[in-house]
Order: sequence, then C-alpha cells, then structure tokens
Amino acid sequence: DAGVIQSPRHEVTEMGQEVTLRCKPISGHDYLFWYRQTMMRGLELLIYFNNNVPIDDSGMPEDRFSAKMPNASFSTLKIQPSEPRDSAVYFCASSNGGLDYEQYFGPGTRLTVT
Amino acid sequence: DQQVKQNSPSLSVQEGRISILNCDYTNSMFDYFLWYKKYPAEGPTFLISISSIKDKNEDGRFTVFLNKSAKHLSLHIVPSQPGDSAVYFCAASAYKGSSNTGKLIFGQGTTLQVKP
Repeated sequence: DAGVIQSPRHEVTEMGQEVTLRCKPISGHDYLFWYRQTMMRGLELLIYFNNNVPIDDSGMPEDRFSAKMPNASFSTLKIQPSEPRDSAVYFCASSNGGLDYEQYFGPGTRLTVT
Repeated sequence: DQQVKQNSPSLSVQEGRISILNCDYTNSMFDYFLWYKKYPAEGPTFLISISSIKDKNEDGRFTVFLNKSAKHLSLHIVPSQPGDSAVYFCAASAYKGSSNTGKLIFGQGTTLQVKP
C-alpha cells in the first residue's frame, strides 16, 4: 500500500511566483494535514481537513497561502505570491482519525524561494 | 504559546548507552501522546505512543514514560544505536472544549546523535 505521496519533492522558484504543492493521502484516510518545517519554528500545522472540509486553518500564515481538497485523494497547498521567507519543507500527512491519532507523513517538498 | 515543548535541541550519547529525550506540555486536556522520528530528507515516522491512562509503554528498545502530574513525558532508548541518530518529535492530541479535534500539537524536536 502506497504511503502519502507528495509532489514535487523539490521546488525552486523566484520571489513573486506562484507555487503549488500537491498531496495524495493514503486511501481510506479521512483527515489530511499540511505542515511546514523550519529551523526556527519546528513543525507547524498550517491547515487540516476532515472528509475534504477544512476544519482549522488558523496556522496559515497569511492570505498568500491557500489550500484545497477537491476530493478524498488529492489536496493542494498554494502560495501566491511566494516570498523568500516561505522557504521551508512542507509536509502532508493523513490519518484515519482513529483513537491512536497516528498521522502518516509524506516525504515532504523542499521549497526554496530566491 | 507553545503547548508542547522539547527544551533540549540536541543530545549526544555513546552507542550502547541510554538516550533520554524529554517533553513537557501545558494543556491538561491532552490525553494521547506520540513520538515521531525523522531522518534527513524524509517525513516523520511514528515511533511509539501512550495514552493518558497509562504511565509507561514499551516497544523493544523504546519506552515512553508519562507523568501527568508534572505534565512531562520522556522517551528512553536502550541500548542506543548509531541508526537511532535522527530528530525526535513529541506530539500530543488536541482538544477543543471536550471534543478531540483530530489534530496533533508537535514539539520543536530534539536531534539525537549516537556515536559509535
């Protein structure tokens, strides 16, 4: 069974450009989470969905960030316009919301904004 | 306000010795705690967990201890191996009111280096 799939694995873009990160959760999981990891702030939860519906987006840093989950097998995180301070590793995770709360993480997308 | 804190950014131990990683939390509503391990260029992977109704959970070389009165948990690795060198994150389940939100709150992580 495939794990969480993220694409691209690496993204280098110039300031001001639009960036779209993609995630395919594990089949059957009804929770999907987007995280950002930086040296300064560690693993931050940006937004999460339950049954494709955004539940909590309080971690989204500003309006430049948006996330969608059009169906149970796909989600995107978009940054428009991107800024150098957005450089980080972005992880997607999914879970079945069971009592063990375990989340399964994808390999991450390393974003560099120059 | 950081609800889950790992105050030691790094830890270095000798192979074969015990590694102890610590984590403190502030929210008394947390009822489930997890440890994740992360290697470079990979996503975090689940290691071990503990429910608040227990004070200890063991899985091979890994043991997690929970002290609810102190709001403290720790991960013990015995014996430590070079392959254990990684970043370790503790996490706690999050509540809103009396309902579980389904999300986890992560600590900042502790980088463990096990020297041969």
